[in-house]
Amino acid sequence: KQEVTQIPAALSVPEGENLVLNCSFTDSAIYNLQWFRQDPGKGLTSLLLIQSSQREQTSGRLNASLDKSSGRSTLYIAASQPGDSATYLCAVRPGLTGGGNKLTFGTGTQLKVEL
Amino acid sequence: NAGVMQNPRHLVRRRGQEARLRCSPMKGHSHVYWYRQLPEEGLKFMVYLQKENIIDESGMPKERFSAEFPKEGPSILRIQQVVRGDSAAYFCASSPPFWTGDLNYGYTFGSGTRLTVV
Repeated sequence: KQEVTQIPAALSVPEGENLVLNCSFTDSAIYNLQWFRQDPGKGLTSLLLIQSSQREQTSGRLNASLDKSSGRSTLYIAASQPGDSATYLCAVRPGLTGGGNKLTFGTGTQLKVEL
Repeated sequence: NAGVMQNPRHLVRRRGQEARLRCSPMKGHSHVYWYRQLPEEGLKFMVYLQKENIIDESGMPKERFSAEFPKEGPSILRIQQVVRGDSAAYFCASSPPFWTGDLNYGYTFGSGTRLTVV
């Protein structure tokens, strides 16, 4: 059974700091990994998706890496801003032979960027 | 493209009533998924549907919960005889079929329905 863990559970940083959020998963037989952002009381916004054959994806100030063999992904946020404050979730999708349509989510990292 | 539309955004039900949650997938998406987010917990998979078919309902509670995705109209998640423990945010997601060759094959989520049972 796939388990996804995110560390830290909460993080508070001053504006402008670079930061790294961690995601680990127990079963490396994944199809892809997706990072989401969730604002309080809102839905999920997809940030980055990394296919199992890829090592990293970049979008603006965000960079996500994937090391499938070790079961780890990191989300790097450069020059953090107060508007980045949200809960960040990672989710893994299993391979096509492993029930390939169920995402397994981590419990998230709650980020607060202070002025 | 209106994205994944869920309604209502907020739903209050008394214990024992029925709750109906609706989800319209993105245009061109034929796969619908329902997830539940309990307070202080992560999102948990409930059910995966295609038009007129339930593909995987391994995350659905055995009783009181049902889901459908008819040929016409939105997908419906139905909770009968609600109890306080059903209070949660229910999210719907959609994705394109595998055979579209969409290498991203990412999920698009709706804004959720927040169910409160009083």
